[in-house]
Amino acid sequence: GQQLNQSPQSMFIQEGEDVSMNCTSSSIFNTWLWYKQDPGEGPVLLIALYKAGELTSNGRLTAQFGITRKDSFLNISASIPSDVGIYFCAGTKIQGAQKLVFGQGTRLTINP
Amino acid sequence: DADVTQTPRNRITKTGKRIMLECSQTKGHDRMYWYRQDPGLGLQLIYYSFDVKDINKGEISDGYSVSRQAQAKFSLSLESAIPNQTALYFCATSVTGNTDTQYFGPGTRLTVL
Repeated sequence: GQQLNQSPQSMFIQEGEDVSMNCTSSSIFNTWLWYKQDPGEGPVLLIALYKAGELTSNGRLTAQFGITRKDSFLNISASIPSDVGIYFCAGTKIQGAQKLVFGQGTRLTINP
Repeated sequence: DADVTQTPRNRITKTGKRIMLECSQTKGHDRMYWYRQDPGLGLQLIYYSFDVKDINKGEISDGYSVSRQAQAKFSLSLESAIPNQTALYFCATSVTGNTDTQYFGPGTRLTVL
């Protein structure tokens, strides 16, 4: 069953606003990944995190691997229309095992 | 050209029919996966294969079977489709190592009437 709780489930924001979403688990995860899915497409990797406390940026995106290893967040700064989509967190309990567990997703809608 | 391709992209079928979804990759990856996505849920793992001779069940394998015909090809079959198998199906690939990064195909939308 689902082991990652992702929130919020949906967000409606104005263009230019910052966005924050997070993912939590009752279990320790050793890898956290953030994916984005555009309509009609498969998920695309945005950021990968491998160490507790790690903070990584990819352009306007920033993600952190929580110190407890049970959570991660993704921030998007100064949102633009092409940020619309569904964002998924994913994790593995054993690094290198490559068996991903996914969160339910956060659907981001941006009003111009 | 896309690195991970899926065929068909859309399929409508009837209850009881046998359906095969195909996945091909040009990334040279040894590991391949099949996931199912339902509205409001994340992706759930159906089957995965770490090489041509290795097939493993995922979280929701009941009602599905797979075949790894070659390193680059991994097909998913529904032997007797039922309406609650209506979903988006994604194939993914990865390379053995520590990155845990998986690369997804564009998906197949399957509707079972």
